[in-house]
Amino acid sequence: AQKVTQAQTEISVVEKEDVTLDCVYETRDTTYYLFWYKQPPSGELVFLIRRNSFDEQNEISGRYSWNFQKSTSSFNFTITASQVVDSAVYFCALSEPKDFGNEKLTFGTGTRLTIIP
Amino acid sequence: EPEVTQTPSHQVTQMGQEVILRCVPISNHLYFYWYRQILGQKVEFLVSFYNNEISEKSEIFDDQFSVERPDGSNFTLKIRSTKLEDSAMYFCASFLPAPYGYTFGSGTRLTVV
Repeated sequence: AQKVTQAQTEISVVEKEDVTLDCVYETRDTTYYLFWYKQPPSGELVFLIRRNSFDEQNEISGRYSWNFQKSTSSFNFTITASQVVDSAVYFCALSEPKDFGNEKLTFGTGTRLTIIP
Repeated sequence: EPEVTQTPSHQVTQMGQEVILRCVPISNHLYFYWYRQILGQKVEFLVSFYNNEISEKSEIFDDQFSVERPDGSNFTLKIRSTKLEDSAMYFCASFLPAPYGYTFGSGTRLTVV
């Protein structure tokens, strides 16, 4: 069975500091996808990244970067030079493609990030 | 960019009443999903729908729940007799396999009183 663990329940940092959100996953499949979503106070789920299990390259998008390490089953997310607008709950998620491409998402419990001005 | 539209954004209903949550997924997507998020908790899978039938459902999705795609456009989640513990944010999503992916709607907040 698939499982996603986000051990950090809440993190607070001062604006402009860097912050890393941890995500550890469990799966028996060799083909899977990892995701990060942002949930601002308004409640919607904002897609940040989707990474397949065969692509271990780190990715950078502006102030965001992701570190995927299969050896430790981790997919960590770093925000550089944090801003108040980054305050939100961040969810890591995992999907395992099934028949005909069905991909149910399993979410972690989320990390509430607060950026202090 | 195509969107998934959910209506209403917030619904209040009395315990025991039936409620229908509506979603308009992206038209060329193949899979449609409902997820639920109880306040302050994680997002949980409810059901997936493909080719006009349920392809997978979770333990949460009991006989009180049903889904339909009656007209090839709308995708609905019906809760037959709501309970207090059904209060949650319900997200609809539509999906097309790689290289595309998931698109979530903005959610319907259901409050059962």
